[in-house]
Amino acid sequence: DAGVIQSPRHEVTEMGQEVTLRCKPISGHNSLFWYRQTMMRGLELLIYFNNNVPIDDSGMPEDRFSAKMPNASFSTLKIQPSEPRDSAVYFCASSFRGSYNEQFFGPGTRLTVL
Amino acid sequence: QKEVEQNSGPLSVPEGAIASLNCTYSDRGSQSFFWYRQYSGKSPELIMSIYSNGDKEDGRFTAQLNKASQYVSLLIRDSQPSDSATYLCAATDFGNEKLTFGTGTRLTIIP
Repeated sequence: DAGVIQSPRHEVTEMGQEVTLRCKPISGHNSLFWYRQTMMRGLELLIYFNNNVPIDDSGMPEDRFSAKMPNASFSTLKIQPSEPRDSAVYFCASSFRGSYNEQFFGPGTRLTVL
Repeated sequence: QKEVEQNSGPLSVPEGAIASLNCTYSDRGSQSFFWYRQYSGKSPELIMSIYSNGDKEDGRFTAQLNKASQYVSLLIRDSQPSDSATYLCAATDFGNEKLTFGTGTRLTIIP
């Protein structure tokens, strides 16, 4: 079975540009999570969805960040405008709510904002 | 503020020995606990889940949970160089999907 799929795997952009990260969860999973990982702050939950509905976005750093889940098999995380401090690895994870909530991570997107 | 604490290491263990990784958590309501392995430059990989007090074994891995002491551990028997990675401990409480992660312990297995 395919795991969580993320694209792009690497993104290099200039400050002020819009960045869109994409995620396809594991088929049958009904919860999706966006994380950010840096050396300084470790792994941080940004937002999560259940049945395509945002449940908790308290980790979203500021209004420059937005996330959508238009259907069960696709989600986006958008940063507009991007800043150098947004440079990090962004992970998407999915789980089936009710099965002990085991989360499975995608390969991540390494974002560099110059 | 829910917290999960781990010794950041690095923890160095000779090949073939038992590696012991420890984790404490602050929220007594925590019910489910997870160990993830993360190789450098890769994503976290779920290797063990534990929900009840006691031990849970899977191959060379044993997770131990003591809710009274708010303590979770991961034992790796017959350590191999391929076990060298950062190990993340995570916890969540009943009905909550949000995981609280520790900062991870870096493990190095010395051949």
